[in-house]
Amino acid sequence: DAGVTQSPTHLIKTRGQQVTLRCSPISGHKSVSWYQQVLGQGPQFIFQYYEKEERGRGNFPDRFSARQFPNYSSELNVNALLLGDSALYLCASSLAGSTDTQYFGPGTRLTVL
Amino acid sequence: DAKTTQPNSMESNEEEPVHLPCNHSTISGTDYIHWYRQLPSQGPEYVIHGLTSNVNNRMASLAIAEDRKSSTLILHRATLRDAAVYYCILGAYNFNKFYFGSGTKLNVKP
Repeated sequence: DAGVTQSPTHLIKTRGQQVTLRCSPISGHKSVSWYQQVLGQGPQFIFQYYEKEERGRGNFPDRFSARQFPNYSSELNVNALLLGDSALYLCASSLAGSTDTQYFGPGTRLTVL
Repeated sequence: DAKTTQPNSMESNEEEPVHLPCNHSTISGTDYIHWYRQLPSQGPEYVIHGLTSNVNNRMASLAIAEDRKSSTLILHRATLRDAAVYYCILGAYNFNKFYFGSGTKLNVKP
């Protein structure tokens, strides 16, 4: 079975631009979470979606938004990019809730110049 | 926000047991304790999780203190492939948060 897939693999943007990152969960998984991992630090929780509804939100500005589609795939949008948004963006899927194992994708490396 | 505290790094010899500690003194009654590890250039990988009782699986064991303010991940026989950053995480039952700490970088010597 395919694991969690993310696209694109790498992305280069300039300050002020907008970016959309995509995630496809493991088949049968209804929950998707997004994380930001800055070099040398642990992943920081951004959002969790379950059945197309936002269930959790980390401490990120409103420039960050996400949505989940009927097929349970998800997009993460970041507006007005800042240099500090440069990071690895990880997507994780799970069957449902917090007690379920999360399966992480390989991530999208975003560089903001 | 419930937070965890882990040593920055630890070192172990191959084939020996490793005990990775984690302090989580602000844990709430419904927070689960999760452990994930991250190998270089990969996304985190699930290791084990528990609520109150000690847990065992094929990868590791999780020992949870009686007051739940600390836990220990036990790798019974470390291999070179176990070299990674290990994260101790508290996950809220209603999944409104899932916070990684800075993790422990485990180095395994041959």
